[in-house]
Amino acid sequence: KAGVTQTPRYLIKTRGQQVTLSCSPISGHRSVSWYQQTPGQGLQFLFEYFSETQRNKGNFPGRFSGRQFSNSRSEMNVSTLELGDSALYLCASSQEPATANTGELFFGEGSRLTVL
Amino acid sequence: DQQVKQNSPSLSVQEGRISILNCDYTNSMFDYFLWYKKYPAEGPTFLISISSIKDKNEDGRFTVFLNKSAKHLSLHIVPSQPGDSAVYFCAASGMKAQKLVFGQGTRLTINP
Repeated sequence: KAGVTQTPRYLIKTRGQQVTLSCSPISGHRSVSWYQQTPGQGLQFLFEYFSETQRNKGNFPGRFSGRQFSNSRSEMNVSTLELGDSALYLCASSQEPATANTGELFFGEGSRLTVL
Repeated sequence: DQQVKQNSPSLSVQEGRISILNCDYTNSMFDYFLWYKKYPAEGPTFLISISSIKDKNEDGRFTVFLNKSAKHLSLHIVPSQPGDSAVYFCAASGMKAQKLVFGQGTRLTINP
């Protein structure tokens, strides 16, 4: 079956702009988590959605937001972009919430955001 | 607050020898630990996991060891192969932890 699909794969924005990233989970998966990967920081947890509800949120400013639709697809939005937001944004899906299914997640290839 | 730490950013090992990747954690609420492998331009993929009720789990060439008293886990790869060259992330989770927490990653390079 198809894996986790993230769009766009690459994008370039300028400071102050906003961006929306999309994630389509594996069919049948209801949980979607978002992570930010930067060199030296590993994968930093942004938020997790399950059945259209945000279950948990990481330590990111309010400029970072997300949502999940009834078909489990998810979007994340970053407003007022800063240079430090340049990163690889990874989406991962699972059938149940990550902490309920022992944490095994299926990741997409990521969306690489460059902020100039 | 880095709850999961991989203190070695990189590791270089000769093909055929053993690779040992280390990970330390601070949150005693974690009760499940995982290793993920990431190639460039790809998302991380699940490699192996261990529950806190065990101290060792094997899967082919990969073995994960857990030392709960030291809050330390390690991944052993033997024998190492060129295809093992990747970034390895350790991660921890638990019902009370509420989220999956990753370390910074270790870049493993297997030299022929």
